[in-house]
Amino acid sequence: EIVLTQSPGTLSLSPGERATLSCRASQSVSSSYLAWYQQKPGQAPRLLIYGASSRATGIPDRFSGSGSGTDFTLTISRLEPEDFAVYYCQQYGSSPWGFGQGTKVEIK
Amino acid sequence: EVQLVESGGGLVQPGRSLRLSCAASGFTFDDYAMHWVRQAPGKGLEWVSGISWNSGSIGYADSVKGRFTISRDNAKNSLYLQMNSLRAEDTALYYCAKAIHDYGGNPLGGAFDIWGQGTMVTVSS
Repeated sequence: EIVLTQSPGTLSLSPGERATLSCRASQSVSSSYLAWYQQKPGQAPRLLIYGASSRATGIPDRFSGSGSGTDFTLTISRLEPEDFAVYYCQQYGSSPWGFGQGTKVEIK
Repeated sequence: EVQLVESGGGLVQPGRSLRLSCAASGFTFDDYAMHWVRQAPGKGLEWVSGISWNSGSIGYADSVKGRFTISRDNAKNSLYLQMNSLRAEDTALYYCAKAIHDYGGNPLGGAFDIWGQGTMVTVSS
């Protein structure tokens, strides 16, 4: 089973700043089958990135994903007020599929 | 409008059973793999189970294997999760989710682009 570890647990930043979130896998994620989701309180998760670096439909270009193998990164170039939320990575390359524990991006 | 609507949650005693349903609309249901994901109160996301478009491939998390059964009825545009021998640790909000196509050949599809709003399952005596 692939275990995903996200860091940091909490990121305190101001609007306009750059956010860098990390997701590390215990084994290589095949074919870069790595996704990122955003979740706000009381809402279902929203797909941001799939295939490690492809933006989902309607996702602003301030969100970008990178990485391969065991190390992946989600970058938000300039934080907007609506970007403060919890972010999860997910691997879907090998069963059982799994999520990281999440990174909370909070307003500083 | 593309939509997933879960139902069937509620309060149930440990050891009992519950069946969740997910009604899909706004897309060609039988073209896509579907999944269940749960979230315990105040906790993160946990993948539970997934099923390919034709039910030919199915996967389960180790935590539910042997107790939960995923199924689908493409004629009714519906996904199901039969949950038996429920435990307190199964208490969670259960989401159904649609997988995007995986052109690399993964029968359970790719990432989850459409999610329902979830149905709450509480296991308690």
